[in-house]
Amino acid sequence: GESVGLHLPTLSVQEGDNSIINCAYSNSASDYFIWYKQESGKGPQFIIDIRSNMDKRQGQRVTVLLNKTVKHLSLQIAATQPGDSAVYFCAENMDTGNQFYFGTGTSLTVIP
Amino acid sequence: ETGVTQTPRHLVMGMTNKKSLKCEQHLGHNAMYWYKQSAKKPLELMFVYSLEERVENNSVPSRFSPECPNSSHLFLHLHTLQPEDSALYLCASSLSGVVHLDEQYFGPGTRLTVT
Repeated sequence: GESVGLHLPTLSVQEGDNSIINCAYSNSASDYFIWYKQESGKGPQFIIDIRSNMDKRQGQRVTVLLNKTVKHLSLQIAATQPGDSAVYFCAENMDTGNQFYFGTGTSLTVIP
Repeated sequence: ETGVTQTPRHLVMGMTNKKSLKCEQHLGHNAMYWYKQSAKKPLELMFVYSLEERVENNSVPSRFSPECPNSSHLFLHLHTLQPEDSALYLCASSLSGVVHLDEQYFGPGTRLTVT
């Protein structure tokens, strides 16, 4: 079955530094990926998505990289701010399936 | 605010109780979802409704019973739950029920504790 996992459960970074959160997926047929941010007491919030025909996609202060060869996804946050402290998790979907498979999440703590 | 509201935000119930969770979306979406989020586990999809019709049921025990009376409201009826059902229950909506086309907007969740 599908498996989405994260390399590190927790990550601490200094304010202003860049953050990199990683995600490994096991299903090579997955073709759509989303990164979510979940703050305490809130539901997950969409950050950025990427389709398998792309290697990189940039948003505002965030970049998602997709390496299909090793089935690896990463989220880069530039100039990390205290408001970025949250749990981040990735989700994968196959075009033939109507649901996402989610990772367990990485807790990001930004140190002022 | 995401446009998806859930009530109650917290619920404590005994194993013999019957309760309902409510979700309402103000986004004009046609699809709604129930997810379960347990500590240190991935988010689990429970049910998907598209245009008020259930299109996905991920082998959820019958003690969880969803209801979608219209495209703006979604309920999760609970009865004879077990302590392992304690979790955060999240509702989401999207424009259509095709997950790889539309972004899902999540509500804040209901924190359920079964005693």
